[in-house]
Amino acid sequence: AQTVTQSQPEMSVQEAETVTLSCTYDTSENNYYLFWYKQPPSRQMILVIRQEAYKQQNATENRFSVNFQKAAKSFSLKISDSQLGDTAMYFCAFMTGSNYQLIWGAGTKLIIKP
Amino acid sequence: GAVVSQHPSRVICKSGTSVKIECRSLDFQATTMFWYRQFPKQSLMLMATSNEGSKATYEQGVEKDKFLINHASLTLSTLTVTSAHPEDSSFYICSASQSGQGRFNQPQHFGDGTRLSIL
Repeated sequence: AQTVTQSQPEMSVQEAETVTLSCTYDTSENNYYLFWYKQPPSRQMILVIRQEAYKQQNATENRFSVNFQKAAKSFSLKISDSQLGDTAMYFCAFMTGSNYQLIWGAGTKLIIKP
Repeated sequence: GAVVSQHPSRVICKSGTSVKIECRSLDFQATTMFWYRQFPKQSLMLMATSNEGSKATYEQGVEKDKFLINHASLTLSTLTVTSAHPEDSSFYICSASQSGQGRFNQPQHFGDGTRLSIL
C-alpha cells in the first residue's frame, strides 16, 4: 500500500526562525512526484513546492526548500525566516505514474508566533 | 496561471435539498478533476476522479447515486449532493490537472472549497 506519514501533528516556532516539517512515504513505484501543500485558515489549498523523484537536486522556492532522501523515502520541508503568514496546515503528498491521484499525509499544523 | 474557481463557497440548506457545486478551470484545460471531502482537522479524502467526457471513478465507500459528478467539458466539473442530510455537512474541495502530454508531472490546482451545512 502507498502511504504518506507526517509524524508531527503540530509545531510552533518564533517568527524569523527556521522550521523543518517531516514527511516519509512508502511506495514500490520508481517514478513519482512529491508535493507540499499549504492550507491556511481560509482553507484554500496552495502548492508550496514539488520534487520529481528522478531528480537528485533538492527543490527550492524562495524560503521553502526540501530535503529529499529517496533511499530513505523521506521528503522534509524547510521553511527559512518564517513569517506570520506561514501559519497553516501543511500536507505532504505524492503522485505516481500509475494513476494521477494524490496520496496525502495527515498534515502538520504550523504556528508562527510573533 | 492555473486558477481553479469553485462555487458556491458556502451553502446552508434544509435536509432533503439537492446541492450543486461547480468547479471551473479558468485559464487551462483540465482533462481530470478530483473531488475531495475534508472533515475538521483532517486531511483530504478523495471521493472521485472525474475525466472529461466519461463517467467518474468513485472511491470505495462513496455512494455514486448520492454524489453525482458530471464533467461535460474540459473546464467544468460539477458535484451534486442529492437529497442532502446533516451527515453530508462537510468541506468539499475540487482540484484540476492540466491536460496534455506529460500531465503526470502537472500538480493539482485547487478550488477554494465549499462549506456545506445541512440543517
